[in-house]
Amino acid sequence: GAVVSQHPSRVICKSGTSVKIECRSLDFQATTMFWYRQFPKQSLMLMATSNEGSKATYEQGVEKDKFLINHASLTLSTLTVTSAHPEDSSFYICSAPSDGGQPQHFGDGTRLSIL
Amino acid sequence: GENVEQHPSTLSVQEGDSAVIKCTYSDSASNYFPWYKQELGKGPQLIIDIRSNVGEKKDQRIAVTLNKTAKHFSLHITETQPEDSAVYFCAASFGNEKLTFGTGTRLTIIP
Repeated sequence: GAVVSQHPSRVICKSGTSVKIECRSLDFQATTMFWYRQFPKQSLMLMATSNEGSKATYEQGVEKDKFLINHASLTLSTLTVTSAHPEDSSFYICSAPSDGGQPQHFGDGTRLSIL
Repeated sequence: GENVEQHPSTLSVQEGDSAVIKCTYSDSASNYFPWYKQELGKGPQLIIDIRSNVGEKKDQRIAVTLNKTAKHFSLHITETQPEDSAVYFCAASFGNEKLTFGTGTRLTIIP
């Protein structure tokens, strides 16, 4: 079945550091990928839609200069949290839709902890 | 935009009994309804989905029902097992557009 790989699974770093998270579709191509943020015991909140070859589409309230998204190829999207602060600590998850659009397949998430 | 409500937020069920989780959606244009299972520290895994041209779908111990008129859909798990313990999310979307998730249900199976 369709597999989405996310790396790294966990990051612990100091405040002010920029952190890059990778999302790869391993056995299918994805012109679109989605980035979510999940706080403890809460639901998934869509942050942005990553579009291969064009700019990402950000949800209302998400700072595009804070969360940089690059969709460089049909199998790779990256999310960079720039100058991260403790309030950016969260579980970040990406997903990619199968050919034809649904269902979406999720990576295993990246737990980001900013000290 | 779409709004999805999910109930209950927590559910404890004796092993072997059935569990039912319900969701309602607001946008009548939504036509795709997946259910995801999320275990601790992992990403969501699709367990079953249904499209609006179907009223019910079953896969072994898991079934989903959809009532388009009332705009609600439900997840049914029969013969529950300890490994069914997890957080379950419903979601809705129109076509290939972004998913809107429910608030989640923490299901605990009591041995």
